[in-house]
Amino acid sequence: DQQVKQNSPSLSVQEGRISILNCDYTNSMFDYFLWYKKYPAEGPTFLISISSIKDKNEDGRFTVFLNKSAKHLSLHIVPSQPGDSAVYFCAASEASGTYKYIFGTGTRLKVLA
Amino acid sequence: DVKVTQSSRYLVKRTGEKVFLECVQDMDHENMFWYRQDPGLGLRLIYFSYDVKMKEKGDIPEGYSVSREKKERFSLILESASTNQTSMYLCASSLSAKTFEQFFGPGTRLTVL
Repeated sequence: DQQVKQNSPSLSVQEGRISILNCDYTNSMFDYFLWYKKYPAEGPTFLISISSIKDKNEDGRFTVFLNKSAKHLSLHIVPSQPGDSAVYFCAASEASGTYKYIFGTGTRLKVLA
Repeated sequence: DVKVTQSSRYLVKRTGEKVFLECVQDMDHENMFWYRQDPGLGLRLIYFSYDVKMKEKGDIPEGYSVSREKKERFSLILESASTNQTSMYLCASSLSAKTFEQFFGPGTRLTVL
């Protein structure tokens, strides 16, 4: 039973355009969400996070939106750059009392020059 | 910068062998984690530790054990390796329960023949 789902295994976007990566979750107790980026042969690196008290968090070219009623979050990258080509994982956690994240299956983003 | 190192980048073992994967972090983090990453399944938590000698099962602990004798070191043990344990193994650490960002090592690609 996948509590965190990334339904698009891959996405291709032209350089300079917007990339939108989506993530759905089923557990209403999740209240903290993160995005990680992973290049081949490297471990994932933290990108951006959002807590459930917000519906948007922005960091440079990266913005995460959270829609709690729909149990949906999305990562927007504007403008997309070839160096953004990587696998993106969303992860969710219950903020109270646990150290665990549940990761999605990942979306491979390819930014075309 | 936080550094998480894993003892091997690539490992090839035979079925039935005992396998040790070592992970060391240099930032005095309380929490350490072992994940495996498989295509289409994302990152799945095997075990985690929130203190020295303390451990908790993750989502897929079967066939694995762990050891944390020192704060900076977290070992994953495959008592009797099987072919279905061929995977990418990722170690991560985080500062404390109040801090959610996990820092990942580069991963160990384990092949069991």
